[in-house]
Order: sequence, then C-alpha cells, then structure tokens
Amino acid sequence: KNEVEQSPQNLTAQEGEFITINCSYSVGISALHWLQQHPGGGIVSLFMLSSGKKKHGRLIATINIQEKHSSLHITASHPRDSAVYICAVGGVAGGGADGLTFGKGTHLIIQP
Amino acid sequence: GAGVSQSPSNKVTEKGKDVELRCDPISGHTALYWYRQSLGQGLEFLIYFQGNSAPDKSGLPSDRFSAERTGGSVSTLTIQRTQQEDSAVYLCASSLVGTGTEQFFGPGTRLTVL
Repeated sequence: KNEVEQSPQNLTAQEGEFITINCSYSVGISALHWLQQHPGGGIVSLFMLSSGKKKHGRLIATINIQEKHSSLHITASHPRDSAVYICAVGGVAGGGADGLTFGKGTHLIIQP
Repeated sequence: GAGVSQSPSNKVTEKGKDVELRCDPISGHTALYWYRQSLGQGLEFLIYFQGNSAPDKSGLPSDRFSAERTGGSVSTLTIQRTQQEDSAVYLCASSLVGTGTEQFFGPGTRLTVL
C-alpha cells in the first residue's frame, strides 16, 4: 500500500506570500492529484500530473518521479486560497486499480 | 448533468438500519469511485467501477458495505446494519477512462448513525 505524507499539516501565512506544500509517496504511481477542499465544501481537482510541471493561474504543481515527491505552490496568496489541500496518488505503476490513496491534507490559512 | 451528483445530501439513521446512497456520474465517464471522509481516518478509497469490468472492492471496510453500478451509469452504495463508526461523508467521483485521468468529485452524502 502506498503511504502518502504531506507537509506541513497546518500553515498560516500573510496575503501575498509564496506558499509551498509538499507531498511524498512510497510506491511508484500512475498519477498524482492535488485537490482543494474549502471548509464545509466539496472537493475540487486542481491538478493531475505524472511528470514535470503544470501551471494554472497562481497555482503551480511539480512532480519528481525519481524522488517520489511533489510540490504545490501558490504565488501571491490571497485569503480565498484558504482551504485544505490534499495530495492523492493513484494506481501503482505498471497496473492496478486507480482508487486514490490520500494524504492527511494541509490546512492553509491566508490572513489579510 | 454538468457534474457528479449525489443523493441524499444528508442522511440520519439509527444504528442497525440499512442505508442506500446514490451517485450520478458525469455523462460519458466510464470510471466511478466511492470514497469516504471521516474525522478519524481522513479520506479513504472504498470501491472502483471501470466500464463492464468487475469492480475493485479492495477498500470496502466490511461485508456490510456493497455497491453496484447499473447500466454503466448510476451507482448505489449500500450499508447494511449501520454502526456509529460508519458516520462519515461518502463521496463519489467519476473520471473519463479511469487510470491516469482526472477525477471529478460529487458534493457527498453526510451520513450520521445515531
């Protein structure tokens, strides 16, 4: 079974700061997902990646397959970015079902 | 519809009763997943359907849990003889073709077992 570790568990920052959330996993995967969950809200998929880097607006996600590590960056953070960010990995490399294995999430608070 | 829908949004039941939770995936998505989110365990995988293949039931916590997917579309998760530890938010997600494709989550069903 894949083990997914996220850090930090909690992060409080000031508006405008550059944010980094890290994710490590133990077993080769088919894809890594970054998800966002606002308090009392549903889960939204931010990125799915299997190599390299993806960017969407102020969000950037990178993955290093060899090191089994991914980072989610938020540039020019804003209070509306306050949410729980969840890393999830899907599928063992080379086959297997794609039910996701989740990290415990990073609770991010951006203060004005 | 535009997204994954789930019903009911909230369900309160008494210990020992059976419950059925429904998921309508995005039209055309062949893969459907059930997850649950609880305070103590976080998010965990329950079951995965892909097309007409046999479902992957490896995440179901006990034989009280079962799920079916009729006609490759709507899915129902059934919990028999509910226990208090079954209280959680049950989430459904769908994706276009399964492995390696983006998953879209429904709003969830909040189950409370008294």
